[in-house]
Amino acid sequence: DVKVTQSSRYLVKRTGEKVFLECVQDMDHENMFWYRQDPGLGLRLIYFSYDVKMKEKGDIPEGYSVSREKKERFSLILESASTNQTSMYLCASTWTGSAYEQYFGPGTRLTVT
Amino acid sequence: GQQLNQSPQSMFIQEGEDVSMNCTSSSIFNTWLWYKQDPGEGPVLLIALYKAGELTSNGRLTAQFGITRKDSFLNISASIPSDVGIYFCAGQSGGSNYKLTFGKGTLLTVNP
Repeated sequence: DVKVTQSSRYLVKRTGEKVFLECVQDMDHENMFWYRQDPGLGLRLIYFSYDVKMKEKGDIPEGYSVSREKKERFSLILESASTNQTSMYLCASTWTGSAYEQYFGPGTRLTVT
Repeated sequence: GQQLNQSPQSMFIQEGEDVSMNCTSSSIFNTWLWYKQDPGEGPVLLIALYKAGELTSNGRLTAQFGITRKDSFLNISASIPSDVGIYFCAGQSGGSNYKLTFGKGTLLTVNP
């Protein structure tokens, strides 16, 4: 079974803090994604990566950056957290041979106060 | 951008009943997927569809890729309490670098 893990299930941070969210997958998947999920807005893509050190902006990249130094790990960085970044953050991965079947981690519920 | 209209937004049913939900779009999609999300968890892939007209089952779940490629349907037969959750459709159109477009979900409640 594919396993996608996220570093924290719940996180509380203060406005202005730098926040790191980490995602690790154990299936040698090439592609990894970060989404945020908000009530009434559904899942929105922040960034994705199709290879180590490669990244592409999704639909809402403002206020976020990402890092992919190793194939199995994809980090989402909030450079200066703001209250409007309070959300559920979901990581997903997929392998190129079945590129559309994304497998999700359990999510990190981030609260910025 | 592309949008998926998922309906209904929510459903309240009795245990044992069958359930139907659907996703429609004004755009053509090449792949349709259906996910289920339990409260506080990430979405879990239920069914993936790759060909127009395709009908695929996974236990009590059956999904269809609409013949126009602009819609998809998910049916759940003989619902049980653990079917409770949010069901999402997702679609992929050509040339989008693995990006999926997600519907906003159908919240299913099953009364025992």
